[in-house]
Amino acid sequence: DGGITQSPKYLFRKEGQNVTLSCEQNLNHDAMYWYRQDPGQGLRLIYYSQIVNDFQKGDIAEGYSVSREKKESFPLTVTSAQKNPTAFYLCASSPGDNTEAFFGQGTRLTVV
Amino acid sequence: EDQVTQSPEALRLQEGESSSLNCSYTVSGLRGLFWYRQDPGKGPEFLFTLYSAGEEREKERLKATLTKKESFLHITAPKPEDSATYLCAVQEGSARQLTFGSGTQLTVLP
Repeated sequence: DGGITQSPKYLFRKEGQNVTLSCEQNLNHDAMYWYRQDPGQGLRLIYYSQIVNDFQKGDIAEGYSVSREKKESFPLTVTSAQKNPTAFYLCASSPGDNTEAFFGQGTRLTVV
Repeated sequence: EDQVTQSPEALRLQEGESSSLNCSYTVSGLRGLFWYRQDPGKGPEFLFTLYSAGEEREKERLKATLTKKESFLHITAPKPEDSATYLCAVQEGSARQLTFGSGTQLTVLP
């Protein structure tokens, strides 16, 4: 089955720790995205990548980092510099311009 | 200033009671407007793309329309399984990423 796989589904982090969220797609899409969703709010863009080895900051990139070493993979690291990391994180991909994005099932990160 | 505004924030309908959700946008150079459905704890599921004013798209009980300033998602004779949060997003100018509204949480009561 083609799709986007995010792991883990639930993640707990102690304050001061970095954690990495995985996102893999087998749709052969060029573009990949990371969004954050807080209760009662829409999705906010963290980072996006249009091609391998290139990525751009979104609206709320502070405290996050990404890499795009392979077309299929776009991991997100939540660093200790992110002051309020508890949220639902969504990864998406799209094949090209003017096309819809397809989403994974999300990772819920909780700081304990 | 919000680029994408959805209303109402929440909507409760009786089964079979038709209604509409609104998505207004202020972006210039709209390239596409997208509707998604999101169930609790899940990722958004794509429903429709609209590209220009006057376009309409239909899927089962849902129909999406687009004007130069807003889009409507019409729900005809809804069923309880239509209960979800409906998200609207826009793509503007040369950007490939989507800008989302806050969503409308729809509850359909049996």
